Amino acid sequence: AQSVTQLDSQVPVFEEAPVELRCNYSSSVSVYLFWYVQYPNQGLQLLLKYLSGSTLVKGINGFEAEFNKSQTSFHLRKPSVHISDTAEYFCAVSPYNTDKLIFGTGTRLQVFP
Amino acid sequence: DAGVIQSPRHEVTEMGQEVTLRCKPISGHNSLFWYRQTMMRGLELLIYFNNNVPIDDSGMPEDRFSAKMPNASFSTLKIQPSEPRDSAVYFCASSGRDSRASYEQYFGPGTRLTVT
Repeated sequence: AQSVTQLDSQVPVFEEAPVELRCNYSSSVSVYLFWYVQYPNQGLQLLLKYLSGSTLVKGINGFEAEFNKSQTSFHLRKPSVHISDTAEYFCAVSPYNTDKLIFGTGTRLQVFP
Repeated sequence: DAGVIQSPRHEVTEMGQEVTLRCKPISGHNSLFWYRQTMMRGLELLIYFNNNVPIDDSGMPEDRFSAKMPNASFSTLKIQPSEPRDSAVYFCASSGRDSRASYEQYFGPGTRLTVT
């Protein structure tokens, strides 16, 4: 079985500050890794994904994440946040042998001016 | 591409009534997923189809919930009878395991269901 842990339910930060949203997972099989963003009253939108290759992946809106296999982590980072980054962020894994996505509980990023 | 289309966007109904949620996946995608999102339980996978066949319905809460996919371009999620605890946002997503889609799931805008 797989599980995803997002340790921080809320992360407040001031505009232009850096931010890191943490994600750890457990799985008995290899997985693909994803970060999705959900703006208020909208569906989820893919930010970035790790399938293979370089462990540092870059996504939309200036976000990036690094896959660390030994620590089973996939933390999301942005060097300078904007007010418009205020949203809910979900980490998810998909086992190689299935189409399913297993989501974490989400982290609410609140950016203040 | 129009993306994943869901209807209705909002639904308010009384306890005991039948509710049908509809989803049109992205053309060419062969997998379709139904999720439920609540404050208490977060985002839960209810059921998913591959090539119109239900593959995993272990997330369907109980017999009051049923889902169908009669063809590649349409799916329904039905709740009969509905209860107040079914109030949630229901998302449909689709994906295609080919080089173009690369395992990404594309989400619809959701249906906000309120059962009074």
